[in-house]
Amino acid sequence: NAGVTQTPKFQVLKTGQSMTLQCAQDMNHEYMSWYRQDPGMGLRLIHYSVGAGITDQGEVPNGYNVSRSTTEDFPLRLLSAAPSQTSVYFCASSDHRGRNTEAFFGQGTRLTVV
Amino acid sequence: ELKVEQNPLFLSMQEGKNYTIYCNYSTTSDRLYWYRQDPGKSLESLFVLLSNGAVKQEGRLMASLDTKARLSTLHITAAVHDLSATYFCAVDPGGTSYGKLTFGQGTILTVHP
Repeated sequence: NAGVTQTPKFQVLKTGQSMTLQCAQDMNHEYMSWYRQDPGMGLRLIHYSVGAGITDQGEVPNGYNVSRSTTEDFPLRLLSAAPSQTSVYFCASSDHRGRNTEAFFGQGTRLTVV
Repeated sequence: ELKVEQNPLFLSMQEGKNYTIYCNYSTTSDRLYWYRQDPGKSLESLFVLLSNGAVKQEGRLMASLDTKARLSTLHITAAVHDLSATYFCAVDPGGTSYGKLTFGQGTILTVHP
């Protein structure tokens, strides 16, 4: 059971470049989300999806785009990378159908923008 | 707007001692999570707390939830070096915002011999 898989694990970008962070889950979860983690700030929600075709903004959405064409995949796009986007990015998925369900996190993508 | 505050942010403990990490949140919630993170790693789920008065224990860690006070605690009993990590609480507001977690800043725990 793979759970939540993120690729790549590490990436270095130049300012202005674009890239897509991939996230896939194999648990048939409805809910998927992207967070960024910066020192001393915990994790902050970037974008969120409650199912295929439905996305919503989180706390820090500027500079990022998302789409969700399938239940399994939720890619995060940086259209024009900036040094302020240097961070560790985590994808998470969860299921609303049970009371004891929890949010599962991927292994993270460490992004450096130079 | 939901705000989650943890304290302390840094905790240096001696092995064998007890301590508590506090997590306060500002609005009603559906559930509260505690996670552990080791350096360079992802988040490992420790506890999911669903209702007022919920208490869960795993090894030397015990978590509780008081929804009336909007407070959760993570109690560490007889700390050992292996517990050194960063601990986060996260609140899920539920309802139409289910799955939109708001995290505390994290508590960096260091256990010394």
